[in-house]
Amino acid sequence: AQKVTQAQTEISVVEKEDVTLDCVYETRDTTYYLFWYKQPPSGELVFLIRRNSFDEQNEISGRYSWNFQKSTSSFNFTITASQVVDSAVYFCALSEAGSSYKLIFGSGTRLLVRP
Amino acid sequence: GAVVSQHPSWVICKSGTSVKIECRSLDFQATTMFWYRQFPKQSLMLMATSNEGSKATYEQGVEKDKFLINHASLTLSTLTVTSAHPEDSSFYICSATDRGIYYGYTFGSGTRLTVV
Repeated sequence: AQKVTQAQTEISVVEKEDVTLDCVYETRDTTYYLFWYKQPPSGELVFLIRRNSFDEQNEISGRYSWNFQKSTSSFNFTITASQVVDSAVYFCALSEAGSSYKLIFGSGTRLLVRP
Repeated sequence: GAVVSQHPSWVICKSGTSVKIECRSLDFQATTMFWYRQFPKQSLMLMATSNEGSKATYEQGVEKDKFLINHASLTLSTLTVTSAHPEDSSFYICSATDRGIYYGYTFGSGTRLTVV
């Protein structure tokens, strides 16, 4: 069965600090996809990244970077030089071929960036 | 890019009444749609998966008679909360995907349901 664990419930940082959000996943499938979403107070989900299980390359997009490590079943997300606008809830999610690709979310990490 | 329109964005209803939430894919054919429920400060919990023209598959613990899902066309899925009660008050959000996971998931903007 697929499972996503985000152990950090809430993180508070001061603006310009770097912050890493952890995500650990469980799956028995060899084909799966990992996602990160941002949910601001408005409630809409903002897609950040998708990674498939065959692509372990790390990715950088502006101040955002992702570290995918199959050896530790982790897909961590780092925000460099955080800004107040980064304050939101961030969800890691997993879909696997064996479960008809239904998307299962972790419990989320609430990030508060203080000025 | 792919867009999913979800309506209404919020609704207040009286206990015992039914509420219908619509989810439409505007520029792609959504072969599969997912319905989630999110309680305050909690994660998104998958309620059911619906494929066009088929009965929905409900997650364990979700009452299929209470949460009726219809996916009659490739662009429209509806969730009807029947005989709503205050404990059904929540944020409901739909997600749609077309044939390939490669194309990812597109989420609606969500519906905040308050049952009074």
